[in-house]
Amino acid sequence: DAKTTQPNSMESNEEEPVHLPCNHSTISGTDYIHWYRQLPSQGPEYVIHGLTSNVNNRMASLAIAEDRKSSTLILHRATLRDAAVYYCIPPPGTQGGSEKLVFGKGTKLTVNP
Amino acid sequence: GAVVSQHPSRVICKSGTSVKIECRSLDFQATTMFWYRQFPKQSLMLMATSNEGSKATYEQGVEKDKFLINHASLTLSTLTVTSAHPEDSSFYICSAHRTGIWGTQYFGPGTRLLVL
Repeated sequence: DAKTTQPNSMESNEEEPVHLPCNHSTISGTDYIHWYRQLPSQGPEYVIHGLTSNVNNRMASLAIAEDRKSSTLILHRATLRDAAVYYCIPPPGTQGGSEKLVFGKGTKLTVNP
Repeated sequence: GAVVSQHPSRVICKSGTSVKIECRSLDFQATTMFWYRQFPKQSLMLMATSNEGSKATYEQGVEKDKFLINHASLTLSTLTVTSAHPEDSSFYICSAHRTGIWGTQYFGPGTRLLVL
């Protein structure tokens, strides 16, 4: 099964960009990379996903390395509300047709005012 | 976007009682839902996969007789913690897989259980 590696924590200042790295050197060529985040005392929420090329949505951008062994989640202007644990999720496993997500420890992002 | 609700959001119960937590997908049908448990300062741990119309699939180490899961419809899964004990106190979170969007799950807001 593919695995991911993320830094335990990162800090940023408000209004500045944040680059959250993730290593996933064992994913296959057809595996998507998903990012979720969990705000304090809430359930996780989907952020973005991608396969090969860079992806943008209203929450963030995802830059995927050409060799697909790593990716970076980019928050263009961090706000205090972006303080959360960010999870880079390896491709869902399959069991009986379902798609399990396995959460690692993620990166705890602290945003300073 | 897709919405998943959980009820109750918070529950306090006495040791030995059973607690039922509901997970609903409000605007889409979910043949598969998942139940997670999260202890303070730890990551989410998958407990079981809930399949509509069939038995749940439990992760290793999770007691199926203690954590009863029922997925009776395409929009509702329930988790019942039977004979709860203080060590069952945790944050329980459900998620629903939306058919056709591979790998994307929508999570409920969580239920905080405190067993006294």
